[in-house]
Amino acid sequence: AQSVTQLDSQVPVFEEAPVELRCNYSSSVSVYLFWYVQYPNQGLQLLLKYLSGSTLVKGINGFEAEFNKSQTSFHLRKPSVHISDTAEYFCAVTGGGNKLTFGTGTQLKVEL
Amino acid sequence: DTGVSQNPRHKITKRGQNVTFRCDPISEHNRLYWYRQTLGQGPEFLTYFQNEAQLEKSRLLSDRFSAERPKGSFSTLEIQRTEQGDSAMYLCASSTTRTGELFFGEGSRLTVL
Repeated sequence: AQSVTQLDSQVPVFEEAPVELRCNYSSSVSVYLFWYVQYPNQGLQLLLKYLSGSTLVKGINGFEAEFNKSQTSFHLRKPSVHISDTAEYFCAVTGGGNKLTFGTGTQLKVEL
Repeated sequence: DTGVSQNPRHKITKRGQNVTFRCDPISEHNRLYWYRQTLGQGPEFLTYFQNEAQLEKSRLLSDRFSAERPKGSFSTLEIQRTEQGDSAMYLCASSTTRTGELFFGEGSRLTVL
């Protein structure tokens, strides 16, 4: 079984500042890792994914994440945030491609 | 294709009533998933189908919950004798690969009074 820990429930940041949202996972098998974003009253939208290969993954809207196997982490970063990035961000993991296990989410609040 | 479609988007019901949600996946996707999301939590897996076969059910899916995908296309999730604890957003997702990339609908929000 897999599990995901998102330690930060809320992250406030000023516009144009950099941000990092932390994600740690636990799994006994090789994993695929994902970050999804959820805007209010909407479904989840895929930001980026790690399947294999390069550990630095680039996604939409200027986000990127780095897979670190030794630290079992998959932190999400953006060098300069915008007001429109305010949303809930979910890290997710799957071991066999059958279902995703999600973390509890991190609310990113971008302030002027 | 317009993506995953869920109906109704909102449902308010009284405790004890039955409700049914429908999900239309992306047409070429053979896998379909149901998740439940409560306030402040991440989505929790309920069940998934490959074509018409229901391959896995979570322990969260009590006897009052039933899901079907009769022809391997759309799916329904029925909740019988609703309880206030069933109030949540019910999310449907579909996929076509084994890598777990899911495409989500906008969800069906259930409020049980």
